[in-house]
Amino acid sequence: DSGVTQTPKHLITATGQRVTLRCSPRSGDLSVYWYQQSLDQGLQFLIQYYNGEERAKGNILERFSAQQFPDLHSELNLSSLELGDSALYFCASSPRGDPTYNEQFFGPGTRLTVL
Amino acid sequence: AQTVTQSQPEMSVQEAETVTLSCTYDTSESNYYLFWYKQPPSRQMILVIRQEAYKQQNATENRFSVNFQKAAKSFSLKISDSQLGDTAMYFCAFMTRFNDMRFGAGTRLTVKP
Repeated sequence: DSGVTQTPKHLITATGQRVTLRCSPRSGDLSVYWYQQSLDQGLQFLIQYYNGEERAKGNILERFSAQQFPDLHSELNLSSLELGDSALYFCASSPRGDPTYNEQFFGPGTRLTVL
Repeated sequence: AQTVTQSQPEMSVQEAETVTLSCTYDTSESNYYLFWYKQPPSRQMILVIRQEAYKQQNATENRFSVNFQKAAKSFSLKISDSQLGDTAMYFCAFMTRFNDMRFGAGTRLTVKP
């Protein structure tokens, strides 16, 4: 158990809908990262937040957005869902935001299925 | 563009033997970080080993070690005394100073009894 929690574990929804994925980092970790793992695209970095502020951005679609709250939990919002958004979404956390101490601890993931 | 290539989609090894997984990467950065992650059937991502590019000494964690060749941009993972629990997908990953982590496509390793 990495100490990172993600809810829900599974989510099934329809095209065009909007969903919110939630992540609670390890106690004391200030950075949260979101990744998407799909069959055809592999593991892709989406976005990073550090202490409430966006720190780095990867291949995140405009239909997707994220935020990190004052209690450091983070939410990933996916809207206008398409079939291709079906994937395993991971959250990871690390103590700091810079590469001097950047071991990332991954949560168990949320499996999203868009029908 | 920063890319990570794992050229071996699948590999197998007999229990107790040694196996090496390959990884190459492309970057213009001078300092960066490299990782190997393991993803067992549970889909949990587990950090196996990390290497900082400015450190010449190869990282070692128990039965896992890397061969880091900076000039060749190569970062292979050696697993010694393979165990059945090592069966998993292994991902090589690269992180720049901007915290942008790139993963390779993965190598599926099967350890046979």
